[in-house]
Amino acid sequence: DQQVKQNSPSLSVQEGRISILNCDYTNSMFDYFLWYKKYPAEGPTFLISISSIKDKNEDGRFTVFLNKSAKHLSLHIVPSQPGDSAVYFCAASGQGAQKLVFGQGTRLTINP
Amino acid sequence: SQTIHQWPATLVQPVGSPLSLECTVEGTSNPNLYWYRQAAGRGLQLLFYSVGIGQISSEVPQNLSASRPQDRQFILSSKKLLLSDSGFYLCAWSGGLGGGDQPQHFGDGTRLSIL
Repeated sequence: DQQVKQNSPSLSVQEGRISILNCDYTNSMFDYFLWYKKYPAEGPTFLISISSIKDKNEDGRFTVFLNKSAKHLSLHIVPSQPGDSAVYFCAASGQGAQKLVFGQGTRLTINP
Repeated sequence: SQTIHQWPATLVQPVGSPLSLECTVEGTSNPNLYWYRQAAGRGLQLLFYSVGIGQISSEVPQNLSASRPQDRQFILSSKKLLLSDSGFYLCAWSGGLGGGDQPQHFGDGTRLSIL
């Protein structure tokens, strides 16, 4: 049972445009959602998170939106830069536990 | 600042051989510690987590075990490796207090290939 799903394995975006990465979840008990970025042969790096009591969190070029009724979150990167090319994972945790459930990841490629 | 060290970076082992991967964290005390595995083309699967010395929780039945002999040391082991143990193993830590708003921070991983 995959509780966190990223249905797009890959995404290609022109440099300077907006990248939108999507994530769906099934467990309504999740109360925190996080996005991680991963380069090849490295561990994931934390990008941004959002509490379930909010619907938007912004940090520089990165904004995460949460739609609880749809059990959907998205990560917007604007403007996209070549260094943003990486695999992005969404993750969720629930009820104060620090265990994370990860999606399968989306490979983002930014084209010059 | 906090840092996490994981070694070795790559490892090639024959089927049936033992395994020991080590992870240490610096710059924090009483962290939560985690072991994940990423199989090819898959997401990260939580294998073990620990909230304190000697306290290990296993998330999935498997051929591996974990130990936490010291506060900031986490070890992943196996007595006899299987082909299915191949993958990218990641260690992570998070703050020992608080809830789900404390992100986990990952090491650079170990690429394990079983022949």
